[in-house]
Amino acid sequence: DIQMTQSPSSLSASVGDRVTITCRASQSISNFLNWYQQKSGKAPKLLIYEASSLQSGVPSRFIGSRSGTDFTLTISSLQPEDFATYFCQQSYGTPLTFGGGTKVEIK
Amino acid sequence: EVQLVESGGGLVQPGRSLRLSCAASGFTFDDYAMHWVRQAPGKGLEWVSSISWNSGSIVYADSVKGRFTISRDNAKNSLHLQMNSLRAEDMAFYYCAKDYKSGGTTGWYDYWGQGTLVTVSS
Repeated sequence: DIQMTQSPSSLSASVGDRVTITCRASQSISNFLNWYQQKSGKAPKLLIYEASSLQSGVPSRFIGSRSGTDFTLTISSLQPEDFATYFCQQSYGTPLTFGGGTKVEIK
Repeated sequence: EVQLVESGGGLVQPGRSLRLSCAASGFTFDDYAMHWVRQAPGKGLEWVSSISWNSGSIVYADSVKGRFTISRDNAKNSLHLQMNSLRAEDMAFYYCAKDYKSGGTTGWYDYWGQGTLVTVSS
């Protein structure tokens, strides 16, 4: 199975901060990496697919990138509505696997 | 507007069965693969099962293989998950999710239901 190691597990940041979340795959997954945002008590929401493609309707402050088996989600300027938990997911092969999540909290 | 509405969750004893359903609307259901993903309360996400648009391809996580059965009824725009021999570790919110791409399976999900909670306890 492909393991997805996500870091950090939590972070505190202020509105306007640049925030970076990383996900490392245990093997090559090409660009098959997706990012979701989940707010408390809600279903996840797709933000980025195929490493860097922005899902329709998602603000452009969410940026996905890849370097080898390392993937990064950057929020260029954190907004109040961005406080949530973020998950990465590989869709290279089954079993489809998720990272452990990063909780972004208010500083 | 795409809507996915799960139902069928509840309290069940270990070893018993439960059948989840997901009612889909707002898109051409039989064009898309569908998926079940679960999340234990306060924990991360775990993929459970996927089914292609025509039910020709079905896959399961090892943790549920042989106990869970995914199915779909394209005439009724519905997705199902039959869960047998339930265990304490199956307790979770179960989400149905729509695949991103028409006619294929990408493995990423652009719409999710609100989830239904399955509690396994004696």
